[in-house]
Amino acid sequence: GAVVSQHPSWVICKSGTSVKIECRSLDFQATTMFWYRQFPKQSLMLMATSNEGSKATYEQGVEKDKFLINHASLTLSTLTVTSAHPEDSSFYICSARPGSNQPQHFGDGTRLSIL
Amino acid sequence: AQKITQTQPGMFVQEKEAVTLDCTYDTSDPSYGLFWYKQPSSGEMIFLIYQGSYDQQNATEGRYSLNFQKARKSANLVISASQLGDSAMYFCAMREVMTTDSWGKLQFGAGTQVVVTP
Repeated sequence: GAVVSQHPSWVICKSGTSVKIECRSLDFQATTMFWYRQFPKQSLMLMATSNEGSKATYEQGVEKDKFLINHASLTLSTLTVTSAHPEDSSFYICSARPGSNQPQHFGDGTRLSIL
Repeated sequence: AQKITQTQPGMFVQEKEAVTLDCTYDTSDPSYGLFWYKQPSSGEMIFLIYQGSYDQQNATEGRYSLNFQKARKSANLVISASQLGDSAMYFCAMREVMTTDSWGKLQFGAGTQVVVTP
């Protein structure tokens, strides 16, 4: 149980392209999902908290216009990297938890490479 | 301010031996949770074990156990009988009391790279 699916797992695209990453909770509903970014050999950095039916809460220093988050349903949150540039290349990973006292379960991550 | 500290960037451990991964944390909240996750080279984050701040006993899950010392604010992970498949990055994380600002978000340590050798 508590499976989180993330798609795509790997994407390469040209600079200036917008890229959408999907995060789905497959067997539970999640009013809150989290988006992280991870650089090689580093820890996970929380980018934003995605709230179903309302605006996402962004961490300090994260550009909300650059990283658009939509949480339109209880099982789906999307992260769109708008007008991506090489410095946006990174590993993006989402998480969700089945209940407030449950651990967060993570998607498999998306490796984004911008050329 | 860094709230989760993992002081060991990397460790080698021999197969079948036990290994302890250090984690210290800093919080003023009386209610919090501590987590350990494993991240293999493939990238996925695998939940290993959880310890609540009010739990009286140390958490155990199979070969994983958490040495929780509340007064010292430490939550070390012990992996017994290491296997080659245990080679991965291990992250300690803390979730403070859920408020409208925190939403129960996790804060991660820098991680410890474990390499299990035959």
